[in-house]
Amino acid sequence: DAMVIQNPRYQVTQFGKPVTLSCSQTLNHNVMYWYQQKSSQAPKLLFHYYDKDFNNEADTPDNFQSRRPNTSFCFLDIRSPGLGDAAMYLCATSSPGDGYNEQFFGPGTRLTVL
Amino acid sequence: KQEVTQIPAALSVPEGENLVLNCSFTDSAIYNLQWFRQDPGKGLTSLLLIQSSQREQTSGRLNASLDKSSGRSTLYIAASQPGDSATYLCAVWRTGGFKTIFGAGTRLFVKA
Repeated sequence: DAMVIQNPRYQVTQFGKPVTLSCSQTLNHNVMYWYQQKSSQAPKLLFHYYDKDFNNEADTPDNFQSRRPNTSFCFLDIRSPGLGDAAMYLCATSSPGDGYNEQFFGPGTRLTVL
Repeated sequence: KQEVTQIPAALSVPEGENLVLNCSFTDSAIYNLQWFRQDPGKGLTSLLLIQSSQREQTSGRLNASLDKSSGRSTLYIAASQPGDSATYLCAVWRTGGFKTIFGAGTRLFVKA
């Protein structure tokens, strides 16, 4: 089945220790998104890639970076995690060319910062 | 600035009841609206997508409607079941960009 995969499902890191979260997709979608979701809150868009074009949201902290080496993979790098970065990180994909741009989400990575 | 509000924040109903979840948005310049389901600690599962030119979409026991002029969408769940217990989120994608704005969700509990 075509899908969005996130690894790891759970990540524990120490305060200030860089961490990388991974997302891959078999849907061949042009657009990949990273969202941050804190407990009982709405998902908040951090940035998205349209093909190789990177689009950062204005209020995304500089501490968050992303890489998309090819169509299938996208990474979220947190350079110096703080306690406030503990959250669920959700990856999603969509294909604007199909006229719907329906978003499909992965299972998420739960990040704990000690 | 687009804002999305979902009311109620939480809802508890007995099994078999028909129910309506509400989503309102402040800017009618949307490309589409999508309803999702989220189980605790999990990702989001797409339920229904309504394009701005459409009025409603149906899938099984679910029916979503869209009224752009009033900035409202509803998700109707027929004959609710305990397995429907989850958080339901709506999200709007504005025209001219890729920013999707989510509501905070309605947490639904269906009692057996």
